[in-house]
Amino acid sequence: ILNVEQSPQSLHVQEGDSTNFTCSFPSSNFYALHWYRWETAKSPEALFVMTLNGDEKKKGRISATLNTKEGYSYLYIKGSQPEDSATYLCAIYRFPNTGNQFYFGTGTSLTVIP
Amino acid sequence: DSGVTQTPKHLITATGQRVTLRCSPRSGDLSVYWYQQSLDQGLQFLIQYYNGEERAKGNILERFSAQQFPDLHSELNLSSLELGDSALYFCASSVAGGPGTGELFFGEGSRLTVL
Repeated sequence: ILNVEQSPQSLHVQEGDSTNFTCSFPSSNFYALHWYRWETAKSPEALFVMTLNGDEKKKGRISATLNTKEGYSYLYIKGSQPEDSATYLCAIYRFPNTGNQFYFGTGTSLTVIP
Repeated sequence: DSGVTQTPKHLITATGQRVTLRCSPRSGDLSVYWYQQSLDQGLQFLIQYYNGEERAKGNILERFSAQQFPDLHSELNLSSLELGDSALYFCASSVAGGPGTGELFFGEGSRLTVL
């Protein structure tokens, strides 16, 4: 079992605030990191897949960075909107092949208050 | 719509019973993953199939089994059900069998309640 930690566990911000949260993981044998967005009563949807140290990805107001040497990734949301309210999950895939398992964190629950 | 279809969406049954959850992956995806999400728990990996063969096994109980059929749909069989098996069961699919650079596409889940 791989320990993938996400912090904070939950977050409440005002509309328009920018926010960020963290995914921490063991840096050994890292291969890929995924970020997923999970809205209530829906299924998780992929935001980013990142593999290289120093990688930065952006989709609209959401961006992510990756540090594989120290074992963390940050997800940033600029100018939060109520529709950003969701749980954000990260998942790690390790190499050598550990049985094709994605190890998921328990997520950060974001609530954006109008 | 992710393109992954799971049935049934909700299922209520009694302890000791057996149920089958079904998943149809996105068109073209060869891998199917099953995850369990219990109350206050993250997504726990159960098992993965790739093109009909078991590729990886996670924390799947011996009372649970799965298979992937030639048409690539998958079924998760849960038997001798216990109260603690109540959970949301997700199926996800991806194009490749690994090494993890392809995103997962999740179904909407099957919520199992064991009474």
